[in-house]
Amino acid sequence: NAGVMQNPRHLVRRRGQEARLRCSPMKGHSHVYWYRQLPEEGLKFMVYLQKENIIDESGMPKERFSAEFPKEGPSILRIQQVVRGDSAAYFCASSPLPAGGPGDTQYFGPGTRLTVL
Amino acid sequence: AQSVSQHNHHVILSEAASLELGCNYSYGGTVNLFWYVQYPGQHLQLLLKYFSGDPLVKGIKGFEAEFIKSKFSFNLRKPSVQWSDTAEYFCAVRAGTALIFGKGTTLSVSS
Repeated sequence: NAGVMQNPRHLVRRRGQEARLRCSPMKGHSHVYWYRQLPEEGLKFMVYLQKENIIDESGMPKERFSAEFPKEGPSILRIQQVVRGDSAAYFCASSPLPAGGPGDTQYFGPGTRLTVL
Repeated sequence: AQSVSQHNHHVILSEAASLELGCNYSYGGTVNLFWYVQYPGQHLQLLLKYFSGDPLVKGIKGFEAEFIKSKFSFNLRKPSVQWSDTAEYFCAVRAGTALIFGKGTTLSVSS
């Protein structure tokens, strides 16, 4: 059973460009989370999605950031007009169970390292 | 506000030494606790988790953790570390839908 897949693993963008990060959850998992890790920091929650729905986006910056998890295909984290402060590692996690439910466990992908020049 | 504190930023041990990594959390609700490990060049992997029941939790690779509710702690232990345990270790508490992570502890084990 393949784990959580993320691509690209490394992404370089110039200021003002758009960044698109993809996440394919584990087979059978319909719950996806995105986290961001800044240098010397722990992972910070950004957004929680189920298929076609954003459930909790309390950790998402109000501007330039968006996420989706369509019925078909991977989840996408989109950052418009990137700035140097967006440089970080972005991790996706998936779970087979709804967030907060009994036994809910998140399984993480390898991350995408975004560098903004 | 919810938070997780890992006391040690970097721990250096020799092989066969015992390990204890501290983790304290601040969260008022029902507590679900996790330890994740990130080996060099790899992604986060779940070491162990606590949801309820026996506060002493056993995980993979000989690791265990003890939930002490009165101290708001969930310390990770291993009786005898190996060189292959060199990694970064993250403690996390689930708060609602999200996991709240500590900043991580880097463990370096010399052979």
